[in-house]
Amino acid sequence: DIVMTQSPDSLAVSLGERATINCKSSQSVLSSSNNNNYLGWFQQKPGQPPKLLIYWASTRESGVPDRFSGSGSGTDFTLTISSLQAEDVAVYYCQQYHSSPLTFGGGTKVEIK
Amino acid sequence: QVQLVESGGGVVQPGRSLRLSCAASGFTFSNYAMHWVRQTPGKGLEWVAIISSDGSNKNYADSMKGRFTISRDNSKNTLYLQMNSLLPEDTAVYYCAKGRFKTPMSFLFDDWGQGTLVTVSS
Repeated sequence: DIVMTQSPDSLAVSLGERATINCKSSQSVLSSSNNNNYLGWFQQKPGQPPKLLIYWASTRESGVPDRFSGSGSGTDFTLTISSLQAEDVAVYYCQQYHSSPLTFGGGTKVEIK
Repeated sequence: QVQLVESGGGVVQPGRSLRLSCAASGFTFSNYAMHWVRQTPGKGLEWVAIISSDGSNKNYADSMKGRFTISRDNSKNTLYLQMNSLLPEDTAVYYCAKGRFKTPMSFLFDDWGQGTLVTVSS
């Protein structure tokens, strides 16, 4: 199984400042056949199901604000919120969809400082 | 818009069975793979199973293999999860989720339901 490890577990960022979340996979999630990284990012607010923000490691889902960006390749990935807004308070999860079983990181809780 | 509504959760004793349902609307159900994902406070998000758009192909997490069965009825736009030999560690909120891509076995999912709580306890 591919193990997904996120860091930090939580972070507090001032409004308008940058938030950076890291995700590391135990094996590469880069496909040699199409050069895509099979890595997604989800946002979960209290009492709600997770929401897909980014897939292919860096493609924003329709409707997702451009302050959210994803980067990385192979085994190391980053989700960046360029200017934190109050509505971004949530838990963020990375997930690999390269191979079964599909696996998630443990989550990073983002709060306002 | 896409709507996924889970039902069938509740309190069940260890060793018993439960069947969850997920009613889908707002999209052509038969064109998309579907998933079950569960969430516990202790273990976070855990993928359970996937079923292909036509129901012919299924894949499970190892800890559910042999106990859980995913199925679908495309004529009723409904996804199911039959859970047998339930264990206390199966206690979780169970979500159904739709495959992101219009391919038979999309491993990426996008829309999720609100979830149904399953509690396994004597």
